[in-house]
Amino acid sequence: GAVVSQHPSWVICKSGTSVKIECRSLDFQATTMFWYRQFPKQSLMLMATSNEGSKATYEQGVEKDKFLINHASLTLSTLTVTSAHPEDSSFYICSAADRATSHGYTFGSGTRLTVV
Amino acid sequence: QKEVEQDPGPLSVPEGAIVSLNCTYSNSAFQYFMWYRQYSRKGPELLMYTYSSGNKEDGRFTAQVDKSSKYISLFIRDSQPSDSATYLCAMKSIQGAQKLVFGQGTRLTINP
Repeated sequence: GAVVSQHPSWVICKSGTSVKIECRSLDFQATTMFWYRQFPKQSLMLMATSNEGSKATYEQGVEKDKFLINHASLTLSTLTVTSAHPEDSSFYICSAADRATSHGYTFGSGTRLTVV
Repeated sequence: QKEVEQDPGPLSVPEGAIVSLNCTYSNSAFQYFMWYRQYSRKGPELLMYTYSSGNKEDGRFTAQVDKSSKYISLFIRDSQPSDSATYLCAMKSIQGAQKLVFGQGTRLTINP
């Protein structure tokens, strides 16, 4: 089945530094990837939609200069949290739509970011 | 009113029971319906994917869609403690890579 690899699974960083999270589709091509943020005991909040070779589309209220998204190939999208602050601490999850089927999307295992 | 409504629970049932999870929605354009299972601190895992109205069965899981009522269900038969997780319904309106609209998720616990 479709597999999406997300790294790192957890990261601790100092306030003011930047953190990069990678999302890779291992056995399929993903023209579109989605980045979510999830707070404890809450549902997923879509941050942005990433299309290969073009600029990401950000949801209302999401700072595009703070959450940089790059989708340079059909199998890789990255999310960079720039100048991270403690309020950015959260669980970040990516998902990818199979280019061939676009059926139910496959999610990565998530990244728990803690900013100290 | 949210586009997709899902009772957050928590829902606790004994092992072996039949579990019924439900979502209602307001957007009649939704045609593709999904159920995801999410364990704590993990990414969601796709359980069921259905198009339009009808039933779909996969092992112990059955998904039902009633578009006339804007109501979808997931049934889990012979529930196991390993089924304890948060279940999220999700839906979209077109076939292509379009963002999903999620319910709030229902926290389910199966007691041995």
